[in-house]
Formats: sequence, C-alpha cells, structure tokens
Amino acid sequence: EAGVAQSPRYKIIEKRQSVAFWCNPISGHATLYWYQQILGQGPKLLIQFQNNGVVDDSQLPKDRFSAERLKGVDSTLKIQPAKLEDSAVYLCASSLEGQGSQYFGPGTRLTVL
Amino acid sequence: DAKTTQPPSMDCAEGRAANLPCNHSTISGNEYVYWYRQIHSQGPQYIIHGLKNNETNEMASLIITEDRKSSTLILPHATLRDTAVYYCIVRVVGNQFYFGTGTSLTVIP
Repeated sequence: EAGVAQSPRYKIIEKRQSVAFWCNPISGHATLYWYQQILGQGPKLLIQFQNNGVVDDSQLPKDRFSAERLKGVDSTLKIQPAKLEDSAVYLCASSLEGQGSQYFGPGTRLTVL
Repeated sequence: DAKTTQPPSMDCAEGRAANLPCNHSTISGNEYVYWYRQIHSQGPQYIIHGLKNNETNEMASLIITEDRKSSTLILPHATLRDTAVYYCIVRVVGNQFYFGTGTSLTVIP
C-alpha cells in the first residue's frame, strides 16, 4: 500500500514570497490533515479536511495560509506571503473517514530567508 | 493544548526494555491514547493505541492505568534504530491529535 506522498521535500524561499505544498493521501482515506512542526516542537494541526470540506481550520493563520482539497483527494497548502517564522516542516497525514490512526507523509521542510 | 505530559528525554541500554511514561490526567472516557514516534527527518510513525485495556503489537506494549490518567509505552528490547522522539497523544473528538513535545529516547550501545 502506497503511503502519503508529499512534494517538494525541501523548499527555500525569501520572506514575502509565496510557496505551495502538495499532498496525496493514502487511497481511500477521506480525512486529510496538515500540520506545522517548528524545530524542537511537536506537530501542530493547521487544518483538517473531510473529503473536500473543511472540518477544522481554527489554527490556520488565514491572513497568509490557505488550503484546498477540491476533488476530495489531493490537497495543496499555500503560504502567501511567507514570514521568517513560517520556517518549519509541513506534514500531511490521512486517515479513514474521521477515525483511526493517522498516517503521515515525510513532510516538506520550508526555510524562509 | 497537548493534554499530555512526558519527560523531555530518556536513555536506554541496547537490548533492555525502554519504558516511556505519559500523564494524561484530563483524559475523557471516550478518548483514546495513541503513541507515535518520529525519527529524524521523517514523518511521525504510528506505534500503538488503546482505550482502557493494555495492548500489545509487534512493536510495543501499552499499559494504561485503571483510572486512565497515565500510560506507559514499553519497547521490550530496544535497538539503536529505536532512537527517536516518542509522542503520547490523546485523540479528541473529530479524530484530532494534539501533540506535545514528546520524549527524546536515546538507545545507547
């Protein structure tokens, strides 16, 4: 069974630039999660999708972050414009519909200069 | 709100059992305890989960106290490849995980 795929694995940008991350969940997993992991901290949930609808985005900084999952499969997380404090690993995870273990991708390491 | 408390770091001799404690004193009756680990530069990896009863799988055992306010993850025979950050997580309504800062386990040869 293929795992959660993410790309790119690494990205370096300058502050005020835009960046987008892509995630492909495990086939059949209706629920998709985006996390932000700052160095030395545990992952923090940014947004949770159920199919193509948002379940929870209370921790998403909506002035600069956006996410979509238009067809209920792949998802994109965007930052515009990026700030220095956005430097982190962005993790995508998926699970069966609203339940059970979450399976994580390898993450995208973002460095904002 | 992480809902869990773990020691920041622990050491364990290779081949010995590693016992990682976790406090979750505010856990609700229908909330599960999950354990994940994260090896450097990788995404978190599922280890085990439980509600009330002790659980065992090929990777580890999970011991949950009767009052459910704490649990212990046991790696029976630690190897160097078990060096990682271990997260104890309480799964809340909506299948949401709130991670704390975890325990950094170092297995020593």
